[in-house]
Parts: sequence; C-alpha cells; structure tokens
Amino acid sequence: ILNVEQSPQSLHVQEGDSTNFTCSFPSSNFYALHWYRWETAKSPEALFVMTLNGDEKKKGRISATLNTKEGYSYLYIKGSQPEDSATYLCASAGAGSYQLTFGKGTKLSVIP
Amino acid sequence: GAGVSQSPRYKVAKRGQDVALRCDPISGHVSLFWYQQALGQGPEFLTYFQNEAQLDKSGLPSDRFFAERPEGSVSTLKIQRTQQEDSAVYLCASSAEVQAYEQYFGPGTRLTVT
Repeated sequence: ILNVEQSPQSLHVQEGDSTNFTCSFPSSNFYALHWYRWETAKSPEALFVMTLNGDEKKKGRISATLNTKEGYSYLYIKGSQPEDSATYLCASAGAGSYQLTFGKGTKLSVIP
Repeated sequence: GAGVSQSPRYKVAKRGQDVALRCDPISGHVSLFWYQQALGQGPEFLTYFQNEAQLDKSGLPSDRFFAERPEGSVSTLKIQRTQQEDSAVYLCASSAEVQAYEQYFGPGTRLTVT
C-alpha cells in the first residue's frame, strides 16, 4: 500500500503571491504521479501526469516537478489569482496497478 | 465532448435505507473506477471495472456495498442499509486505458446519512 502525504493541509495567500505545495510518496514500485485541481461542486481536473525522474511540466502559471528517487513532487503556482482557489490533490500509481492512491490534498485560498 | 457525469449530485438517506449512485463514463472508456472520499480524507479506491468485468473490489468497505457495470458503460454503486459512516463523496472516474495513466473524474455524489 502506498502512503501519499501532502503539505501544507491548507494555505492562504494574497493575490499575486507565488506559492508551492509538496507531495511525498513511496519511491518503490513507482509508476506515475498525478496532480488534480478540485474546485467546490466541480469535477477534479487533471493538471499533470508525470512518470520520469526529473520530469518538469508546465501549464500556464502552474508547474510541477518530480523526483522519483526520493519520492516527492512539488506543485508551483506563480502569481496566484482568486480563480486558483481550490483543493490540489496528488495521487500515485504503482507499476502494474490501476489504482490511484491519493493524498488528503492542499486547500488553497487566494485572497483578492 | 461530454465528461463523466454522476447522479444524483446530492443524496440524503435515513440510516437503514438503500441508495443507488449512478455514473456515466466518457463514451468508449474501457476502465471505470469508484472512489470514496470521507470528510478530511483523500479519495480512497473502492472498485475497478474493465468493460463489464469487475476486476477488483478490494476497496469496498463491507458487503453492504455492491457495484455493477452490466453493459460496460454506465455503472451503479449500491449501498444497502446505509450507516452514518457511509456519509462521504463518492467519485467515479473513467479511463481510455487499462493502466491508470489518466483518469477523468465526475463531480461526485455527496451522500449524507442521517
């Protein structure tokens, strides 16, 4: 069983600030790391899927990095906007597995 | 195109009632997953279908939980004799692939058992 941990649990930032969150996961038998953004009353939206050590992905103001050897991923948001307010979930998948094991999420609130 | 849809979006049940939660996956998606998110927790895997075959039901918390996908498209998660601990958001996800490379989620059904 994979244990995925996310920190911080919640975060309040001012509009325009940059911020980052951490996701840690067991590095053994690793296959893929997923980041989702989940706004209230909406479907979780896939942000990134990363598989290779050293992967870096970017989507607009949001980017993510992956270190599979030490078992962590960072999600960065540059110049936070109120519409970035959401819960950010990371999930890990093991090799040969179809299950995603999720962390508890980081709840981001961006104050205008 | 249409995403994953779930119905109802909200359900209030009295303890002991049976409930049925529906998931309409993206058309043509082979894989379908159910997850349960209790308050303050991350989503937890319940069960997995590949087409109509339920290949893994190891996450179902008790024999009161039953899932089916008879024609390999729409799926129903049924909970019999609901208990307060069943209160949670139930998420459905589908994937075009067998390996969990990308899963597309519905908005969830929030079940409250009173």
